[in-house]
Amino acid sequence: GESVGLHLPTLSVQEGDNSIINCAYSNSASDYFIWYKQESGKGPQFIIDIRSNMDKRQGQRVTVLLNKTVKHLSLQIAATQPGDSAVYFCAETLNTDKLIFGTGTRLQVFP
Amino acid sequence: DARVTQTPRHKVTEMGQEVTMRCQPILGHNTVFWYRQTMMQGLELLAYFRNRAPLDDSGMPKDRFSAEMPDATLATLKIQPSEPRDSAVYFCASGLGQLATFFGPGTRLTVL
Repeated sequence: GESVGLHLPTLSVQEGDNSIINCAYSNSASDYFIWYKQESGKGPQFIIDIRSNMDKRQGQRVTVLLNKTVKHLSLQIAATQPGDSAVYFCAETLNTDKLIFGTGTRLQVFP
Repeated sequence: DARVTQTPRHKVTEMGQEVTMRCQPILGHNTVFWYRQTMMQGLELLAYFRNRAPLDDSGMPKDRFSAEMPDATLATLKIQPSEPRDSAVYFCASGLGQLATFFGPGTRLTVL
């Protein structure tokens, strides 16, 4: 069942295209960031993280970019697949384990 | 495959009843979180523990909610008395230090 915001921004992409999901974070002092993926009826799932002393980190098909100047985080998904359809959240934290979540972006992948 | 487990997965109850949700964090993790997710508010942190000690419960309505960790393998979130506005999905998550936090599957609570 759905349990995310009614007015989530939505990104629609065609299968095989690259996706870029953006996030503006709130605290310029935040030093650790995580991207989560949440599928319908499931809990958020860790995708990739990045510390504030880096500006780019790559995983398998995913890349996170951090721009501290404008407090902006992005998640790039290469060769987007139908299984990537979900809501994506960014989360930030400062020196603690207390994560502050953004509102989320819904990714829809069309064949 | 280590994962956070939560019980029950679904709970329907009537207003005024007590609700207890349970969580088993990943073995070895020393931080445990309770989040609530609703369509209107998104993901909200209710409380979290480190080494079983409560560190922050500022997001939790104190008059009706309580969170405890009786031991390192069990965290509980209790609502007494429950109200319709408590209807939401409640997630438990665990982590180690400042490493990534891993979420359980959630308890979907409906209060009639």
